[in-house]
Amino acid sequence: EAGVAQSPRYKIIEKRQSVAFWCNPISGHATLYWYQQILGQGPKLLIQFQNNGVVDDSQLPKDRFSAERLKGVDSTLKIQPAKLEDSAVYLCASARQAGGSYNEQFFGPGTRLTVL
Amino acid sequence: GQNIDQPTEMTATEGAIVQINCTYQTSGFNGLFWYQQHAGEAPTFLSYNVLDGLEEKGRFSSFLSRSKGYSYLLLKELQMKDSASYLCAGVDSNYQLIWGAGTKLIIKP
Repeated sequence: EAGVAQSPRYKIIEKRQSVAFWCNPISGHATLYWYQQILGQGPKLLIQFQNNGVVDDSQLPKDRFSAERLKGVDSTLKIQPAKLEDSAVYLCASARQAGGSYNEQFFGPGTRLTVL
Repeated sequence: GQNIDQPTEMTATEGAIVQINCTYQTSGFNGLFWYQQHAGEAPTFLSYNVLDGLEEKGRFSSFLSRSKGYSYLLLKELQMKDSASYLCAGVDSNYQLIWGAGTKLIIKP
């Protein structure tokens, strides 16, 4: 089966500009996650979708970050305006289900964002 | 609060055995994952433990003690390709993954 797809792989922007990332999860996976991973740290959950509904966005900086998952499949994450501290790798992951005792997450290759 | 602790960095020799420890504090507990992450790549699944004991999978084994809030990942017959970061993640009562910062494993010839 095809894995999680993300684009672009790399993006360089200047502070105060806008940027958008795209994710296509594994077919049939109901749950989609966006993570921010700063170099040397573990992934930080930004937002979790179950189908096209938001389950958890408690750590999403909503003044500048937004995300949507239309039709419960693809998802986009937007930053507007970007700050220097947003430089990180943005990982998208999907899982077959959110609940239950086993919800292995499959990760995409990530988008490396550099804000200058 | 919720917290995952693991060493920042470890060094081991090719062909040897290394144990990476992880202690966790989560609100409720629904298992613990280990992921491997090579530099510049996405994390990939290694193991999942929800019951006490040792789970063996080839050269890699993972152990869990729920009473102690403790897990370890054991890597045997180390190969140079095992150089990577190893992420421990606990699953809380809402089935959210609480991630550690990762342990960077350096393998020397």
